[in-house]
Amino acid sequence: NAGVTQTPKFRVLKTGQSMTLLCAQDMNHEYMYWYRQDPGMGLRLIHYSVGEGTTAKGEVPDGYNVSRLKKQNFLLGLESAAPSQTSVYFCATWRAPTQYTDTQYFGPGTRLTVL
Amino acid sequence: SQELEQSPQSLIVQEGKNLTINCTSSKTLYGLYWYKQKYGEGLIFLMMLQKGGEEKSHEKITAKLDEKKQQSSLHITASQPSHAGIYLCGADSYLIQGAQKLVFGQGTRLTINP
Repeated sequence: NAGVTQTPKFRVLKTGQSMTLLCAQDMNHEYMYWYRQDPGMGLRLIHYSVGEGTTAKGEVPDGYNVSRLKKQNFLLGLESAAPSQTSVYFCATWRAPTQYTDTQYFGPGTRLTVL
Repeated sequence: SQELEQSPQSLIVQEGKNLTINCTSSKTLYGLYWYKQKYGEGLIFLMMLQKGGEEKSHEKITAKLDEKKQQSSLHITASQPSHAGIYLCGADSYLIQGAQKLVFGQGTRLTINP
């Protein structure tokens, strides 16, 4: 039972390049989230999904796109990377937020540097 | 929108000392979560609080939610090097169409000196 995995763990891009971050979960959770973490700013929500085939914008969606074609996978795409997108990206899953004793489960993160 | 303010932003303590981290919300808290993050790693869930006045403990870590449900504290007793890391508080927040997310504080970086 791997939980939440993220690929890749590290990546360096040049400005203007594109890439896709993959989040995979084996817990059969409905909700999936992409956050970015920057120094002194905590975690900010980029996009989220409440189920297979659905996606929605979070607080800081500009410059990112997402897809949830399969329940277990949530992809985050950068079409044209910018230095401002240098950050640590975390994926999280949640079984069903109405289960109040439950919590979000986080992946190990992807450290992205855009030069 | 809901905002969480953590204090202090960083903390350096001698091993064996007690410490407290605070998390203050701009709105009533309906679910407050504490996470720990080791440097370069993901978030590990510590505890969740829901009710005013609630207190939970795990090993040497105790979390409390005040009666008014706008402030939470995390207290570590007899700190150890293994307690070092970044501590984040997160609060339930609602998105459109009833979906939920967590709003996070900016984090508190804890260093334990031997």
